[in-house]
Amino acid sequence: AQSVTQLGSHVSVSEGALVLLRCNYSSSVPPYLFWYVQYPNQGLQLLLKYTSAATLVKGINGFEAEFKKSETSFHLTKPSAHMSDAAEYFCAVSGNGNQFYFGTGTSLTVIP
Amino acid sequence: DADVTQTPRNRITKTGKRIMLECSQTKGHDRMYWYRQDPGLGLQLIYYSFDVKDINKGEISDGYSVSRQAQAKFSLSLESAIPNQTALYFCATSDSSGRRDEQFFGPGTRLTVL
Repeated sequence: AQSVTQLGSHVSVSEGALVLLRCNYSSSVPPYLFWYVQYPNQGLQLLLKYTSAATLVKGINGFEAEFKKSETSFHLTKPSAHMSDAAEYFCAVSGNGNQFYFGTGTSLTVIP
Repeated sequence: DADVTQTPRNRITKTGKRIMLECSQTKGHDRMYWYRQDPGLGLQLIYYSFDVKDINKGEISDGYSVSRQAQAKFSLSLESAIPNQTALYFCATSDSSGRRDEQFFGPGTRLTVL
């Protein structure tokens, strides 16, 4: 079975500060992991994905995530937050048959 | 033009009414999905289809039905809408040749059931 847990439903950071959004996964098969972003009144957009290649994955808008098998984690980071990063972020794991299992989301607020 | 489109974008209806949400895609993908999003719950899978003749129930299919009219079209129906079906609904697509690779999402339909 596959599932993801996102710790912290709301995260606030100051503009220019480090962004860290946490995701832990459970998977009975080698996981494919994804981070999606949802801006207000929009659909989900892929930020980055891990598909068993390099463990440090770089995505769009300066985000990156590191796959750590020993910790079953796939945390999302960005060195310096920008006001435009304010959005909802979802971690997801792909199971057999391409079914996705989403976390409950983390709402990121960036304080000027 | 958007690759995955959903109609309508917003809909307000009354309890007991039948509602159809439509999804079309121009990506040429064979797999299509319907999700609902509720605050604090993330996205939950309602139905998915791996091709025109293959329809599968997801986590929360009760009260919903789907139709895959063509490879590019996947409709979600609420036979008799109830207030707790008020939510944001997303259609998504993926390509089976990508195995467990990413899904592409439409812009969403905001449904309110009064």
